[in-house]
Amino acid sequence: ELKVEQNPLFLSMQEGKNYTIYCNYSTTSDRLYWYRQDPGKSLESLFVLLSNGAVKQEGRLMASLDTKARLSTLHITAAVHDLSATYFCAVMLSSNYKLTFGKGTLLTVNP
Amino acid sequence: DTAVSQTPKYLVTQMGNDKSIKCEQNLGHDTMYWYKQDSKKFLKIMFSYNNKELIINETVPNRFSPKSPDKAHLNLHINSLELGDSAVYFCASSRIQGTGNTIYFGEGSWLTVV
Repeated sequence: ELKVEQNPLFLSMQEGKNYTIYCNYSTTSDRLYWYRQDPGKSLESLFVLLSNGAVKQEGRLMASLDTKARLSTLHITAAVHDLSATYFCAVMLSSNYKLTFGKGTLLTVNP
Repeated sequence: DTAVSQTPKYLVTQMGNDKSIKCEQNLGHDTMYWYKQDSKKFLKIMFSYNNKELIINETVPNRFSPKSPDKAHLNLHINSLELGDSAVYFCASSRIQGTGNTIYFGEGSWLTVV
């Protein structure tokens, strides 16, 4: 059974600082997703990563994928308060199209 | 226009009742999902339909029954509601074939069983 582990689960950081969220998964996969969820809201798609070495950037967020290490990272650069949210990584197996989520990282950016 | 829409958004009901949540997508996708998010924010898949055919059926009590009348709709019916069913239920859709396909989520249906 596919397991997806994120760490840290809680992250409190100051504005202007950099940090990385890690996502490890247990089985070879061909799609990895990052989502953002604000309190009481839906999941907003941030990135879809497909191949080894894939890197995508949007604003202060950059996601990368290492399929050999079964690891994806979400790097936050010069954090701002608006980035405060819960971030989920999720992995899909093409064998069954099942999207398995990590437990989420609650990010709080303090002024 | 909302891409994936769910109704109702909020639902408070008594134990033992039967309720339904409806989902519609206007993205032309061929696959739809139901996810449950518990109080700890953990997201777990319940069901998935591809072209109206059930392809994922996780270990979910048989009080939960999905129905897909067509590719654009996936409804969830819950019989004999229990306190533990209180959660947020998210509908989602995607196109399975091809690469880089984003999975879009609805706004969620907040179910409270009292």
